[in-house]
Amino acid sequence: AQKVTQAQTEISVVEKEDVTLDCVYETRDTTYYLFWYKQPPSGELVFLIRRNSFDEQNEISGRYSWNFQKSTSSFNFTITASQVVDSAVYFCALDTGFQKLVFGTGTRLLVSP
Amino acid sequence: GAVVSQHPSRVICKSGTSVKIECRSLDFQATTMFWYRQFPKQSLMLMATSNEGSKATYEQGVEKDKFLINHASLTLSTLTVTSAHPEDSSFYICSARSSGGNIQYFGAGTRLSVL
Repeated sequence: AQKVTQAQTEISVVEKEDVTLDCVYETRDTTYYLFWYKQPPSGELVFLIRRNSFDEQNEISGRYSWNFQKSTSSFNFTITASQVVDSAVYFCALDTGFQKLVFGTGTRLLVSP
Repeated sequence: GAVVSQHPSRVICKSGTSVKIECRSLDFQATTMFWYRQFPKQSLMLMATSNEGSKATYEQGVEKDKFLINHASLTLSTLTVTSAHPEDSSFYICSARSSGGNIQYFGAGTRLSVL
């Protein structure tokens, strides 16, 4: 069975702090994709990143970085120097090739000025 | 990134009426579209998967006669909530994926309130 766990329900930080959102996944498939989406208060899910199971290189995009470790089945997301606009719910998701995304329960990030 | 438009963003209707929600891919052809339901402060629950030109595949527990899905073209899918009741009140969000791609791009969602 496929499962995504985001143990952090809610995180509060002050602007300019770094914050890491955890994501742990379970699958028996050897080929799969991992995703992060951002859902701001407006409701739309914004695609942030896709990583396939054969690419364990970490990725950095501006203030965002992702750490993929197959050994621990984790795909963590770090925001550096957080800003108020980063306040949102962040979802980690897994796709094992059956056309479906399995979502975690989401982590609500609140960045205060 | 690809753009998915969902309309309306908010709808209020009386119990017993039907409501149609549209999902359009604006700058790509979406061979597959997905419909999700999201309860407050919860994750997304997949309701159904629709492929252009064929019948939708519904997830277990989702009533296909209540939630009618039509994917008549490569850029448009519709979800019709028939004979809506207050328990159908929720946030409905669609996503679209192009042929050969596995990134789902999401619409802005529709907040349905049934009185």
